[in-house]
Amino acid sequence: LAKTTQPVSMDSYEGQEVNITCSHNNIATNDYITWYQQFPSQGPRFIIQGYKTKVTNEVASLFIPADRKSSTLSLPRVSLSDTAVYYCLVGSYNAGNMLTFGGGTRLMVKP
Amino acid sequence: GAVVSQHPSRVICKSGTSVKIECRSLDFQATTMFWYRQFPKQSLMLMATSNEGSKATYEQGVEKDKFLINHASLTLSTLTVTSAHPEDSSFYICSARIAGGPSVGELFFGEGSRLTVL
Repeated sequence: LAKTTQPVSMDSYEGQEVNITCSHNNIATNDYITWYQQFPSQGPRFIIQGYKTKVTNEVASLFIPADRKSSTLSLPRVSLSDTAVYYCLVGSYNAGNMLTFGGGTRLMVKP
Repeated sequence: GAVVSQHPSRVICKSGTSVKIECRSLDFQATTMFWYRQFPKQSLMLMATSNEGSKATYEQGVEKDKFLINHASLTLSTLTVTSAHPEDSSFYICSARIAGGPSVGELFFGEGSRLTVL
């Protein structure tokens, strides 16, 4: 089971780009990298998923280097409403281990 | 996206009583649902996997007689906290997956249920 390491917390200001890096040194060949966002007193919400290189959707980008031992979630031009906890999960669906949440990164966006 | 709904969103009970939390998949069938527990300022901890028509699979350290899980239909799983005590006070969240969804293993979460045991 690939363990993930993220910064405990980050601060940013409105309008800035925020990059949150997740380390997963023992990622397996079949593992995907998935990021979730959680607001206080709510269930997490899927943000983005990738396997390699770069993935972009309407809310974020995910950068994955060739060795896949880390990944970076990039949030462009954050707003106050992006204040949340962001979790990086690594695992394989077939192995049934895409269910374990690590510590997450608490992002605080300031005005 | 898929909708998973929980009820109640908040519940307060007296110590020693039992509390049932419902988790429904509103627009898809879920043969498997997952129950998590989250204490303040902490991450989500997987408690158990709920399987429709069969017994739930509990994670190590989770008491199956304490946290009863029933998954009687393809859209409903329930978690009953039996003989609740103050240390059971927590945020309980259920989730489910859609077979063949756009992302591999994407989890759809309910709104969560905050249990406070007095």
